[in-house]
Amino acid sequence: AQSVAQPEDQVNVAEGNPLTVKCTYSVSGNPYLFWYVQYPNRGLQFLLKYITGDNLVKGSYGFEAEFNKSQTSFHLKKPSALVSDSALYFCAVRDERGSTLGRLYFGRGTQLTVWP
Amino acid sequence: ETGVTQTPRHLVMGMTNKKSLKCEQHLGHNAMYWYKQSAKKPLELMFVYSLEERVENNSVPSRFSPECPNSSHLFLHLHTLQPEDSALYLCASSQTPGQGATGELFFGEGSRLTVL
Repeated sequence: AQSVAQPEDQVNVAEGNPLTVKCTYSVSGNPYLFWYVQYPNRGLQFLLKYITGDNLVKGSYGFEAEFNKSQTSFHLKKPSALVSDSALYFCAVRDERGSTLGRLYFGRGTQLTVWP
Repeated sequence: ETGVTQTPRHLVMGMTNKKSLKCEQHLGHNAMYWYKQSAKKPLELMFVYSLEERVENNSVPSRFSPECPNSSHLFLHLHTLQPEDSALYLCASSQTPGQGATGELFFGEGSRLTVL
């Protein structure tokens, strides 16, 4: 079965500090991994993805994520947080060998708050 | 213009009303999705259409009726809803994986539904 866990409901950091939002996954085959961000009363916006290749992937707004196969993790990171990064973040996974439709499995979301 | 457009953005309806949510995608994708997002609950996948054929229906009550007349348009018809159906309804589209497509979803801004 495919699943995603975001162990922290909330993450609080001070502006200018590095931030990490954690994600672990479970799939049968090779994972395709995604991060999305949601601002209040808005839809989910795609941030970045890992498909294959370099374990460190870079995305929008200065975010990056590190794929760690041995730990089955895909943590989202940013070297210096901004107040405007405050939002709800979702990790998602699909199995490379999954159905041709490519259904994504989402985590429950982590609310990031950056204090000025 | 955003890739996925949802209308209306806000809808208030009584329990005996009939209304519809509309979604249009301008990305040339061949799959479309309805998700329900309620406060304090995970994203719920409601329906999936691939090439205009419904391929997934996750035990959604019959008071929700989807329609996909073509690959660019998706509707969610609402009839005799309950107050607990109040939520943010998100439409998404994707290209089925393969031939270079990796299957990530692109979301609309959502329709905020309140049932009185």
